[in-house]
Amino acid sequence: LAKTTQPISMDSYEGQEVNITCSHNNIATNDYITWYQQFPSQGPRFIIQGYKTKVTNEVASLFIPADRKSSTLSLPRVSLSDTAVYYCLVGDYAAAGNKLTFGGGTRVLVKP
Amino acid sequence: EAEVAQSPRYKITEKSQAVAFWCDPISGHATLYWYRQILGQGPELLVQFQDESVVDDSQLPKDRFSAERLKGVDSTLKIQPAELGDSAMYLCASSLGREAFFGQGTRLTVV
Repeated sequence: LAKTTQPISMDSYEGQEVNITCSHNNIATNDYITWYQQFPSQGPRFIIQGYKTKVTNEVASLFIPADRKSSTLSLPRVSLSDTAVYYCLVGDYAAAGNKLTFGGGTRVLVKP
Repeated sequence: EAEVAQSPRYKITEKSQAVAFWCDPISGHATLYWYRQILGQGPELLVQFQDESVVDDSQLPKDRFSAERLKGVDSTLKIQPAELGDSAMYLCASSLGREAFFGQGTRLTVV
């Protein structure tokens, strides 16, 4: 399973865009990139998943360059409620029974 | 909206006692995971089931931890005997493949 590296923490202000970059140099051909969000005392929650180029949903955008060795999660116009830990995972998630391995995540603090 | 149910939400137990956690995954989800999360760290996979079979339990401390998923539906994680270092959040998740759904977790405190 490809190992991921992401910043330990980031600070931002309400209304700003937050971009979190994740490095996954050893990503395999069948691997997808998935991001989870976790609030204190809750289980992680799926945010977005992508394979290449750009994926956008109502919560975030995911940018993946052609070499797929990194990816960037973009949170537009954050609010205080976006303060959470964000995890980048890489794996063959198209198949059932895949292994989900979490790293340390990025702690995002949104300030007023 | 379907959810992964876990109980209890909180558990305080004395060291050397036995403790058990229960998880009811989303109906139809074949894959079930148990994670342990120590405060300030990411979730660590303890055991993964595919239906009733264990797919991965390489990180499960088998001298004291056990997990089962009878009939491939709900699951139980047991610790016997509990140690002070077992204090953590225990998370259960289920999946059909693309996305995993997590429960609220059980916060275990061993005193």
